[in-house]
Amino acid sequence: TQLLEQSPQFLSIQEGENLTVYCNSSSVFSSLQWYRQEPGEGPVLLVTVVTGGEVKKLKRLTFQFGDARKDSSLHITAAQPGDTGLYLCAGVRNAGGTSYGKLTFGQGTILTVHP
Amino acid sequence: GAGVSQSPSNKVTEKGKDVELRCDPISGHTALYWYRQSLGQGLEFLIYFQGNSAPDKSGLPSDRFSAERTGGSVSTLTIQRTQQEDSAVYLCASSPNLSGSSGANVLTFGAGSRLTVL
Repeated sequence: TQLLEQSPQFLSIQEGENLTVYCNSSSVFSSLQWYRQEPGEGPVLLVTVVTGGEVKKLKRLTFQFGDARKDSSLHITAAQPGDTGLYLCAGVRNAGGTSYGKLTFGQGTILTVHP
Repeated sequence: GAGVSQSPSNKVTEKGKDVELRCDPISGHTALYWYRQSLGQGLEFLIYFQGNSAPDKSGLPSDRFSAERTGGSVSTLTIQRTQQEDSAVYLCASSPNLSGSSGANVLTFGAGSRLTVL
């Protein structure tokens, strides 16, 4: 059962365009993370959003956590070829008040930005 | 070292053979995780270590999979009698804090070990 649905799976755009990646679930998460992974490397954490409705910005990247903490989005403004990579969302659930890095990942979005 | 180190980076083996994958976490990180990344399944949690103990091994797919951690540092993931469906990239991650603290979910991943079972 895929608990985190990520869309689109593939995105091919021209440099300068804007894009949005969505991450949706029917379950509530205590926090949600976004990672970027390049070929031959492990995922690298971009951001963690914790509060429902929270918006975080990282240069041209804007991350939003849904009010109900079930969904999130990643928006990239004026995409550049260096943004090319696999983007992954991952949800964290706290069990009994404890928290550790047991992440539920979405399937990922492969982004290609053409010069 | 500065990051999470995994070896081997690539392993090709024949069906039925045993394989060992090694993870060297960031020095001082008490928590260590193994994940598996495959085309059909995405990234899946396998096991979590806090120190040398594994309080959550719920993601191990079968009893052919086992993992241990010694000295609160290096971890080994062992797959016995490998099958073709075991082919995947096995990723190790570590985090600096004890369970329950704010940093517990800040994972640093290694580059992974790509396993191909022929």
